[in-house]
Amino acid sequence: GEDVEQSLFLSVREGDSSVINCTYTDSSSTYLYWYKQEPGAGLQLLTYIFSNMDMKQDQRLTVLLNKKDKHLSLRIADTQTGDSAIYFCAESIRKDSSYKLIFGSGTRLLVRP
Amino acid sequence: GAVVSQHPSWVICKSGTSVKIECRSLDFQATTMFWYRQFPKQSLMLMATSNEGSKATYEQGVEKDKFLINHASLTLSTLTVTSAHPEDSSFYICSVDSVPDTQYFGPGTRLTVL
Repeated sequence: GEDVEQSLFLSVREGDSSVINCTYTDSSSTYLYWYKQEPGAGLQLLTYIFSNMDMKQDQRLTVLLNKKDKHLSLRIADTQTGDSAIYFCAESIRKDSSYKLIFGSGTRLLVRP
Repeated sequence: GAVVSQHPSWVICKSGTSVKIECRSLDFQATTMFWYRQFPKQSLMLMATSNEGSKATYEQGVEKDKFLINHASLTLSTLTVTSAHPEDSSFYICSVDSVPDTQYFGPGTRLTVL
């Protein structure tokens, strides 16, 4: 089946690290993604990881992928108030010659000053 | 990544009218675009895949006669909500397909049907 799950809410202090977790069910996913959505706006692609990778780092963002457990995480170092938003995890599902993204329910990150 | 715009950003209409939403890829030729809807505090639900020069592919449960999609050029896809009703009120977001299997999203259109 196609299902992506995330915790609903995370609160951290400014300057701390944030870790947002996600689990997915389709072991054939080629790519996994993290998107950020601010209030009333569209989704911003933060980063993505190919399924044969374990880790990807991009400035303050670190993505860890445990393919065996179908677990994906996003770590944000030195979290800032501007990082407050909803973070969506997504997996790509190949279908014939195309693909579609399956999104989690989103994790609302609140950064306290 | 690709820059995507949507127009209008918000629209209020009366029940029974039709509303057209445009999705433009500003710096990228998009053979494929996607249309999603998002209810408050919920995730995105894929409605359909829009293919340039051919018919859209709709997800199960999405009425193709109600949500008309036209992808006439490599930079423009339109979604028309026909005979809109209050239950169609939602946030509609489009995305363009890029490589490798990545999508860049527009800013969304908030539709309110009275």
